[in-house]
Formats: sequence, C-alpha cells, structure tokens
Amino acid sequence: TQLLEQSPQFLSIQEGENLTVYCNSSSVFSSLQWYRQEPGEGPVLLVTVVTGGEVKKLKRLTFQFGDARKDSSLHITAAQPGDTGLYLCAGETQTGTYKYIFGTGTRLKVLA
Amino acid sequence: GAVVSQHPSWVICKSGTSVKIECRSLDFQATTMFWYRQFPKQSLMLMATSNEGSKATYEQGVEKDKFLINHASLTLSTLTVTSAHPEDSSFYICSARAGFNIYEQYFGPGTRLTVT
Repeated sequence: TQLLEQSPQFLSIQEGENLTVYCNSSSVFSSLQWYRQEPGEGPVLLVTVVTGGEVKKLKRLTFQFGDARKDSSLHITAAQPGDTGLYLCAGETQTGTYKYIFGTGTRLKVLA
Repeated sequence: GAVVSQHPSWVICKSGTSVKIECRSLDFQATTMFWYRQFPKQSLMLMATSNEGSKATYEQGVEKDKFLINHASLTLSTLTVTSAHPEDSSFYICSARAGFNIYEQYFGPGTRLTVT
C-alpha cells in the first residue's frame, strides 16, 4: 500500500512566521501536487512538480520535489491569516492505472 | 479554465434509498475522472478511477455494487450510492483530468451526503 505521510498534522502559528510542511513516502511518484482545501469545499491546486529536485515558487510559497521523487516540501514565508486551511499533497502513481494518492494532510492556522 | 462542477452540493436521503451525484467538466474534456470520499477532518480517500467509455477501476475495499460509477461522456461522470445507509454519510468529491499526459486534476466543490 502506498502511503504519503505529511508532517506536522497540525500547526498553529502567529502571523509573520515561517513554516515548512513535509510530504514523505517510500514510493516514487510521476508527479506531485499540492492543494489547499477550505472547509466544505473541494481542494484547490497550488502547484505540480514533476522533475526530481524541482523547486517552484508561488509568491510566498516555495515547493520542492525530492531528488528521488519520493518526497516534497512546502515552505511558507511570512504566513498570513489567509493561508489558514488544510494543505494536502498528492502523488501520482502509474501502477496499473494513473491515479493520485493523497497525503494525510496538514491543518494550518495562522493567528493575526 | 479547468472548472469542474458537482450536483447536488448537498443531499439528505432516507436509509435504503439511492442517490446520484453528477460531476461535470465545464470547459474541458476529461478523459479520466476520479471519485473521492472525505471524512471530517481527514484527507481524501480515492474510491475509483473512471475513463470515458470504460468500466471504473475501484480501490480495494470499495464496493462496486454499492457505489456505481458511470462515465458516459467526456464531460460527465456520475456516482450512485445504492441502498444508502447512515455510514455512507460523507463528503464526496470528484476530480477530472484532461489527458493521460497531463498531470493536473481539478476538483469539483464536493457533495455532502447525509443518510438518515
């Protein structure tokens, strides 16, 4: 069974602080996506990383895909209350059919 | 672009009845659609993968006779929860992917099912 473990599970920080969320697996993925989800809504795609070692930046968010394509990280600089939400990573597998395995999730709360 | 809709957004039904949830890709053709289930404060669990015109591939532990999936066109997939029971109450979310060489999947807004 393929698993994607995210850490930490919960994070409560003050506005302006930096944070990093990790997404780890023993499996290799073709690509990896990061999503943010608000309560009662579907996840919204933040970024897709494909190449091992790839780094992508989206304003204050920096995403990195591990060299072996088994892990990823999301770093947020100067967090703001609007960053509050559930962050999910999802790895794309190609065993049999193309599908996505979701991480366990990181619930972030940024306090003003 | 890449908008996916779901209908209904919420539904309440009595135990023993069936409920159909629709998932539509509004501005692109979806070769593949995925159905997920999400319990409160948990991550998404993949239920099944469906490619247009072929039978859905169900994940281990998901009853295909209970969760009927039909992907009749490149813009529409349906999930029917048959003989619903209270334990089927959950948040069901679909996603759509435009092609096999396209990495991204785009999600619908979800359907909250409550079985009484």
